Amino acid sequence: AQSVTQLGSHVSVSEGALVLLRCNYSSSVPPYLFWYVQYPNQGLQLLLKYTSAATLVKGINGFEAEFKKSETSFHLTKPSAHMSDAAEYFCAVSGRNAGGTSYGKLTFGQGTILTVHP
Amino acid sequence: GAGVSQSPSNKVTEKGKDVELRCDPISGHTALYWYRQSLGQGLEFLIYFQGNSAPDKSGLPSDRFSAERTGGSVSTLTIQRTQQEDSAVYLCASSLEATYYNSPLHFGNGTRLTVT
Repeated sequence: AQSVTQLGSHVSVSEGALVLLRCNYSSSVPPYLFWYVQYPNQGLQLLLKYTSAATLVKGINGFEAEFKKSETSFHLTKPSAHMSDAAEYFCAVSGRNAGGTSYGKLTFGQGTILTVHP
Repeated sequence: GAGVSQSPSNKVTEKGKDVELRCDPISGHTALYWYRQSLGQGLEFLIYFQGNSAPDKSGLPSDRFSAERTGGSVSTLTIQRTQQEDSAVYLCASSLEATYYNSPLHFGNGTRLTVT
């Protein structure tokens, strides 16, 4: 069984400030972890993914996330927020097993709405 | 190139009616997924298709929900006897292959279903 918890349904930052969106996961098998972003009235877009290579993962638009197994966390960060970063962000997990999992069969967190103010 | 296309973008229906939602995946993508996004439940997996394999229907919430994928391309999600709790945004996604982790999901913009 897998689950994802995103701490904070709303995060507000000033333009230029650090963005930190928190994600903790639970998985009975080594997880693959993802961050997606959703802009209003659009589908989800992949920001970055962790697939057991480097624990620090860099994604698009200056975002990165670090996989910490000891903390079961995969927090998303960006050093300097931009107005265009305002959106909803989803953390997701997919498991893997000997039978060959579907990596698109994801369990999502509840989402965090990021607001960026001038 | 063209992305995942979903139609209609908005659908309003009366309780008890049947609805069909359509998804055109990216050409060449063998895996297709349906997700539901609602205020109370967040994003939920519904069903996925991979090539000619039997679909994984483990996320369908009731037997009123069904989906098919014709010719390995277009998919239709059907909801029979709609209920108000079916109101949600239904998202379709496709990927090159379901079992390859470097094959990311490409999402459509969704169909917003409102049951009155």
